Amino acid sequence: AQSVAQPEDQVNVAEGNPLTVKCTYSVSGNPYLFWYVQYPNRGLQFLLKYITGDNLVKGSYGFEAEFNKSQTSFHLKKPSALVSDSALYFCAVRPRQGGSYIPTFGRGTSLIVHP
Amino acid sequence: DGGITQSPKYLFRKEGQNVTLSCEQNLNHDAMYWYRQDPGQGLRLIYYSQIVNDFQKGDIAEGYSVSREKKESFPLTVTSAQKNPTAFYLCASSIGTASTHGYTFGSGTRLTVV
Repeated sequence: AQSVAQPEDQVNVAEGNPLTVKCTYSVSGNPYLFWYVQYPNRGLQFLLKYITGDNLVKGSYGFEAEFNKSQTSFHLKKPSALVSDSALYFCAVRPRQGGSYIPTFGRGTSLIVHP
Repeated sequence: DGGITQSPKYLFRKEGQNVTLSCEQNLNHDAMYWYRQDPGQGLRLIYYSQIVNDFQKGDIAEGYSVSREKKESFPLTVTSAQKNPTAFYLCASSIGTASTHGYTFGSGTRLTVV
């Protein structure tokens, strides 16, 4: 079975500071990993994904994520946070082969960027 | 613009009533999904469909039903058997279930039991 853990319900950061939203996963074999963002009363928007290759993946709105196989982590990062980055962030995982192709989503982390 | 349209945005249901949530996509995606979102619980999969006239139960299918008569449409019916239907419902689509592309989500329907 595959699972995702987002250990922090909420992350607070000051505008201009770097931010990290944590994600760890459990899956058989190598994973495909995804990050999505959700603004209030809206659907999720795709941010970035790790499929293969470089462990540092760059995505939309200046976000990036680092795949760490040994730590089974895929933390979302941004060098300088904006107030407009305040939203709910979801990590998702699915196995590269075998099992269900349907990704499992984490519970979400609320990011609050203070002016 | 291509995308997914969910309607209505807000829906109120009386006890014992069935209601249907609409989801339409013009992305030519084969796969479509319904998720339920509750505070602090993330997204839980209700049903998904890989192709027209075929669908599979997700993790929390009890009290829900779907149909997939057209590629573009995947309506969700919340039946009276669903004991706690108040939630935010999200529809999504992808090129295929095995695709490595991310999902495209609709804007959601907020269902409230009154």
